[in-house]
Amino acid sequence: GENVEQHPSTLSVQEGDSAVIKCTYSDSASNYFPWYKQELGKRPQLIIDIRSNVGEKKDQRIAVTLNKTAKHFSLHITETQPEDSAVYFCAATYGQNFVFGPGTRLSVLP
Amino acid sequence: GAGVSQSPSNKVTEKGKDVELRCDPISGHTALYWYRQSLGQGLEFLIYFQGNSAPDKSGLPSDRFSAERTGGSVSTLTIQRTQQEDSAVYLCASSSQGPYEQYFGPGTRLTVT
Repeated sequence: GENVEQHPSTLSVQEGDSAVIKCTYSDSASNYFPWYKQELGKRPQLIIDIRSNVGEKKDQRIAVTLNKTAKHFSLHITETQPEDSAVYFCAATYGQNFVFGPGTRLSVLP
Repeated sequence: GAGVSQSPSNKVTEKGKDVELRCDPISGHTALYWYRQSLGQGLEFLIYFQGNSAPDKSGLPSDRFSAERTGGSVSTLTIQRTQQEDSAVYLCASSSQGPYEQYFGPGTRLTVT
């Protein structure tokens, strides 16, 4: 089955710096890779996603890159702000389901 | 339009009791997923409904867990004879097609005492 690993498990950055979270997956048939942001006590919110036919996607301060050969994809957040502090989950499709990574707790220090 | 809604938002029950959790997906979304999230943990897939197809129950942890989706819309997750390890937040998500662009509800926090 699909296995999704996510690193690091915790990440602290200074406000204004960049943050990078990396995920690897095992199923070469995976074709859709979303990233979710979950603030404390809130529901996961889809922040960006990428399909397997592109290598990079950007939306303002966030971007996702995909390397299908190496089976890894990464979330990049630039010019971090305190409101970016949350737990971030990556996921990869496995058939009609998702397998989620274990999450990364990002803290942006003012 | 309205997003995914779930009820109740919180449920406290005694060990051994049955509970029902409800999910109202986004109107028109044919795919509906249930997940479980234990405190500080990731999301664990439970069950998936797509249209009128047979549900994918491969994530249900035991036969005490079951789910229905009536009329292709509202879904109910039932946990029978609840155990303390069932305590978690149960999240529902829906999408217009398969796993793509899932939108989550606010969750039901279940506490089994």
